[in-house]
Amino acid sequence: GDSVTQMEGPVTLSEEAFLTINCTYTATGYPSLFWYVQYPGEGLQLLLKATKADDKGSNKGFEATYRKETTSFHLEKGSVQVSDSAVYFCALSEGDSNYQLIWGAGTKLIIKP
Amino acid sequence: DGGITQSPKYLFRKEGQNVTLSCEQNLNHDAMYWYRQDPGQGLRLIYYSQIVNDFQKGDIAEGYSVSREKKESFPLTVTSAQKNPTAFYLCASSIDLGVGAQEAFFGQGTRLTVV
Repeated sequence: GDSVTQMEGPVTLSEEAFLTINCTYTATGYPSLFWYVQYPGEGLQLLLKATKADDKGSNKGFEATYRKETTSFHLEKGSVQVSDSAVYFCALSEGDSNYQLIWGAGTKLIIKP
Repeated sequence: DGGITQSPKYLFRKEGQNVTLSCEQNLNHDAMYWYRQDPGQGLRLIYYSQIVNDFQKGDIAEGYSVSREKKESFPLTVTSAQKNPTAFYLCASSIDLGVGAQEAFFGQGTRLTVV
């Protein structure tokens, strides 16, 4: 079945550092890929998405490129801020998953001033 | 504003009591979901519904029940059969992206504590 694997956290960085959170997937078809962010005590919010290979999703300085050849969707940001501290979830959805989204385990990001 | 409303944000119940968590959406989405999240953990699917009057069990449905009598509403009942009900519960709805995929929208969650 489909699956999503994220790098384990927590990831601790200093402010203004470069961020990469790795995400790889397995899927039977051609999934859409998502990054969601969860701030403490809140629900998840969509951060960015890509619906086909080579698409780049971007939002709030974050970017991720849908790489079919490496089945990856790594999240990057050039200069992180303390306010980026949160848990980040990678997810996929495709027609074969019967309306279900398949979630990674989440990666906690801690940014120190 | 369109969105998903979960209520209440915090809920306390005594052990052995059933409790119902509310989830309402005004996004006109067909599909709705309930997830459970434990501290430091990811999301686990409890139930989902693709259309009114139909729902399917997720990975951890035991001890929970749902109904879907209206498109806007998908309440979750945590029964006394659920052995460890204390958790953060998240409701979501989704829109079809037209490529066979669903994009999810989440409520703010309900933190249930059973004492």
